[in-house]
Amino acid sequence: EAGVAQSPRYKIIEKRQSVAFWCNPISGHATLYWYQQILGQGPKLLIQFQNNGVVDDSQLPKDRFSAERLKGVDSTLKIQPAKLEDSAVYLCASSLDRQGFHEQYFGPGTRLTVT
Amino acid sequence: AQSVTQLGSHVSVSEGALVLLRCNYSSSVPPYLFWYVQYPNQGLQLLLKYTSAATLVKGINGFEAEFKKSETSFHLTKPSAHMSDAAEYFCAVSESLMNRDDKIIFGKGTRLHILP
Repeated sequence: EAGVAQSPRYKIIEKRQSVAFWCNPISGHATLYWYQQILGQGPKLLIQFQNNGVVDDSQLPKDRFSAERLKGVDSTLKIQPAKLEDSAVYLCASSLDRQGFHEQYFGPGTRLTVT
Repeated sequence: AQSVTQLGSHVSVSEGALVLLRCNYSSSVPPYLFWYVQYPNQGLQLLLKYTSAATLVKGINGFEAEFKKSETSFHLTKPSAHMSDAAEYFCAVSESLMNRDDKIIFGKGTRLHILP
């Protein structure tokens, strides 16, 4: 089966600019996650979708970050305006459903550098 | 709330030697536990998971982990290291409450170096 797809793989922007990331999960997976992974740390959950609804966005900086999952399939994550501390790898993952025992499948990530 | 502590941000072992990566967890209810591996410029890949069945869990690439409730540990081992095992390893915990939206919490990771 095809894995989780993400684009772009790399992005360099200046602070205060905006950027958008795209994710296509595994077909049939109801749950989609966006993580932020800062260098030297584990992934931190930003937002979790169940189909096209938000389940958890408690750690999403909502003044600058937004995400949507239209039609319960693809998802986009946007940052506007970007700050230096947003430099990180943004990982998208999907799972069959939202219970904790389900394996999460990760995409290759988008490496964002904010200068 | 659950949490994960990985002891040692870097571990070096010789090729052919035993690999031991340590993970301790904290959870108020019976946990689900995971080990993920991340190769450079790639996403995370599941190595193995514990979901309250057998306490000794076997995963891919010859790795295994043992759930020890009394020690709140879930250490990852492999009898003989291979050069291809060099990667970052993440331990993660999720709480096993059914019908809940369980968040998975990742540790900070351990980078495994294999010495020739």
